[in-house]
Amino acid sequence: EPEVTQTPSHQVTQMGQEVILRCVPISNHLYFYWYRQILGQKVEFLVSFYNNEISEKSEIFDDQFSVERPDGSNFTLKIRSTKLEDSAMYFCASSAVQSSGNTIYFGEGSWLTVV
Amino acid sequence: SQQGEEDPQALSIQEGENATMNCSYKTSINNLQWYRQNSGRGLVHLILIRSNEREKHSGRLRVTLDTSKKSSSLLITASRAADTASYFCATQQTGGGNKLTFGTGTQLKVEL
Repeated sequence: EPEVTQTPSHQVTQMGQEVILRCVPISNHLYFYWYRQILGQKVEFLVSFYNNEISEKSEIFDDQFSVERPDGSNFTLKIRSTKLEDSAMYFCASSAVQSSGNTIYFGEGSWLTVV
Repeated sequence: SQQGEEDPQALSIQEGENATMNCSYKTSINNLQWYRQNSGRGLVHLILIRSNEREKHSGRLRVTLDTSKKSSSLLITASRAADTASYFCATQQTGGGNKLTFGTGTQLKVEL
């Protein structure tokens, strides 16, 4: 079964450093997303991406965050200058179409620990 | 207002019993999706129910949706120890694009 893959599975970084989290969405999907889950809390939407541009973003997705689809398969989330509160599990997700029956598939996540 | 509140927050049952989890939401939705998350792992999609559907089945899973009460339930029948996980409902709101709004989750523990 096709799946969303994410790398790295776990990354420890120093505060103020830049981090890039990588994702390979399901191959025929057109909509891509990043979510995050701080330990013990809800899964929160960060950003959605379609047709090479951001279609929606949350208040969490401030100027420190950016997304890119550098080629036909990868989708990345960059955090420019990490803060302690950025420590979380980051999930990439993808979906095929925009409709009422739109299943969104998630990857295994990337644990980010900022020290 | 918070979209997506599950209850109970935690549920402990014996293997073979049925587990029922409930989800309430506040806005108009296009669909509601249930996900499972094993500790520290990714979100596994279980089932999607559209706003014009009332009930769906998938294997041992049964999901109901009552849009008049803005609530959904997930029933797992004949539970197994491997069903131990957190279960989340997530809604796609009408006019809210494709994004999902997640609930707080129910931690299910199935004991042998």
